[in-house]
Amino acid sequence: DTAVSQTPKYLVTQMGNDKSIKCEQNLGHDTMYWYKQDSKKFLKIMFSYNNKELIINETVPNRFSPKSPDKAHLNLHINSLELGDSAVYFCASGRVGTDTQYFGPGTRLTVL
Amino acid sequence: GNSVTQMEGPVTLSEEAFLTINCTYTATGYPSLFWYVQYPGEGLQLLLKATKADDKGSNKGFEATYRKETTSFHLEKGSVQVSDSAVYFCASLSDYKLSFGAGTTVTVRA
Repeated sequence: DTAVSQTPKYLVTQMGNDKSIKCEQNLGHDTMYWYKQDSKKFLKIMFSYNNKELIINETVPNRFSPKSPDKAHLNLHINSLELGDSAVYFCASGRVGTDTQYFGPGTRLTVL
Repeated sequence: GNSVTQMEGPVTLSEEAFLTINCTYTATGYPSLFWYVQYPGEGLQLLLKATKADDKGSNKGFEATYRKETTSFHLEKGSVQVSDSAVYFCASLSDYKLSFGAGTTVTVRA
């Protein structure tokens, strides 16, 4: 029973392309997040949605657009991919009023 | 805003050695504090947490105590195993945002 799942696990693409990463959680949580982990393992939050509403939007290029069709899903669409977008992207979920966030397995994006 | 500073690795130990990874935080108020672990090729897993001063989080032989006076949350394990080889992240939570430290890579040799 996967709690937080992401697809695809690996994504290799050319510069300039547009790609999407999908995230789903079956924990019944109302808040979902996207994090970026760079090549030095540094993790930084990008976005957060609560009940399909954007509540956190860090300084991220507007080529990145999160979309939450419902509480269980938070997808990340990236336009005009650049070399610097290469990273591992983690989705996470949690419940407002509690502390713990549960992470997905990550999507390794490589931009050539 | 919140920030977390943790001891940078890599750290290499022999089995049964004592492990300490230092972590300090800066925050307004009293954030919840966490240690997450990332095993090779996997996502992050919550290892332990503490939500208020003097709380001690513990799991799998790891412990960390929330020290308000030193703004620290150091991770310790008395006797590590090869299976503890991973990247360990200290994190603080404020306004729904987790702020992570840079991660410490730990390698335990048999």
